[in-house]
Amino acid sequence: EAGVAQSPRYKIIEKRQSVAFWCNPISGHATLYWYQQILGQGPKLLIQFQNNGVVDDSQLPKDRFSAERLKGVDSTLKIQPAKLEDSAVYLCASSSGGRGTTDTQYFGPGTRLTVL
Amino acid sequence: DAKTTQPNSMESNEEEPVHLPCNHSTISGTDYIHWYRQLPSQGPEYVIHGLTSNVNNRMASLAIAEDRKSSTLILHRATLRDAAVYYCILRARGGSNYKLTFGKGTLLTVNP
Repeated sequence: EAGVAQSPRYKIIEKRQSVAFWCNPISGHATLYWYQQILGQGPKLLIQFQNNGVVDDSQLPKDRFSAERLKGVDSTLKIQPAKLEDSAVYLCASSSGGRGTTDTQYFGPGTRLTVL
Repeated sequence: DAKTTQPNSMESNEEEPVHLPCNHSTISGTDYIHWYRQLPSQGPEYVIHGLTSNVNNRMASLAIAEDRKSSTLILHRATLRDAAVYYCILRARGGSNYKLTFGKGTLLTVNP
């Protein structure tokens, strides 16, 4: 079974530029998550989708960050304009979305963003 | 969200058991205890989870205190590949959102 795919793996941009990240979840997974992980910290949930609807975006800085999940499969996360403090690893995860006790999240390798 | 407390770092020798502690004194009755780990330069991966009873799987064992205010992840024989950050997470229920809130975790170093 193929895992969660993310691209690009690395990105370097100047502040005030825009950037987009792409995620392809595990086939059949209804729930998709985007996390931000700053160096030395645990991942922080930015947004959660159930199919193509948003379940939780309470920690998404909506003035500069946006995300969409077209047709309930792939997703893109965009930052416009980027700030220095956006330098982090952006992780995508997916889960089957069941209401059971597990609903294990499977993570991709992440995109390391450096903002200069 | 209910909070967990873990040591910042721990060290172990290869092929010895490792006990990673986690305190969660404000856990509620419906919170499950999940453990994930993050190997260097990778995304986190699921390790194990439990509610009240001790749990075993091919990766590890989870021992949960009777009052559920603490738990211990047990790696029976540490290998170099087990060097990672281990996160103890309480899975909070909120509507349809079974979110995971990660702390800083415990950095496990395994010495050869």
